[in-house]
Amino acid sequence: LAKTTQPISMDSYEGQEVNITCSHNNIATNDYITWYQQFPSQGPRFIIQGYKTKVTNEVASLFIPADRKSSTLSLPRVSLSDTAVYYCLVAGGGGKLIFGQGTELSVKP
Amino acid sequence: GAGVSQSPSNKVTEKGKDVELRCDPISGHTALYWYRQSLGQGLEFLIYFQGNSAPDKSGLPSDRFSAERTGGSVSTLTIQRTQQEDSAVYLCASSLERSYEQYFGPGTRLTVT
Repeated sequence: LAKTTQPISMDSYEGQEVNITCSHNNIATNDYITWYQQFPSQGPRFIIQGYKTKVTNEVASLFIPADRKSSTLSLPRVSLSDTAVYYCLVAGGGGKLIFGQGTELSVKP
Repeated sequence: GAGVSQSPSNKVTEKGKDVELRCDPISGHTALYWYRQSLGQGLEFLIYFQGNSAPDKSGLPSDRFSAERTGGSVSTLTIQRTQQEDSAVYLCASSLERSYEQYFGPGTRLTVT
């Protein structure tokens, strides 16, 4: 399974757009890129998944360049409630997820 | 609809005792996963069940850990002869077959004294 690297922490302010970039240099052809969000004392929650180019849903956008060696999760106009840990995962087949340390996002008023 | 449920929500046990943790997945989900999360750490994969296939046990840390899934639904994670390093939150998740969109339960917080 491909290893991912993402910043340990990020700070932002309410109303700003937040972009969290994840590196996955060893991504395999059949790997998908998935992002999860985790609030304290809760299980992780699926945010978005993509294979290439751009994916957008009601919560976030995911940008994946052509070489797929990195991906960027974009959260538009964050609020205090977006303070959480965000995990980037890369996996293909099988279904099991290997979580890294994640990025702790702190949104300030 | 009902999400993934886990019981108990909290469990305190003495070192050396056995514990059983239960997971009820979302109805219709064929895949079930167990993870654990130690304080301030990321999630660690333990075991994965997919339909009637042999489970992927590659994440179990020792032979004191075992899990079963009866009738393709409820799963029980058993830890024998608990040690203090087993203290963690044990999370269960379920999904449709081979989907990375997994739905997590609230977890069981295990404390070994």
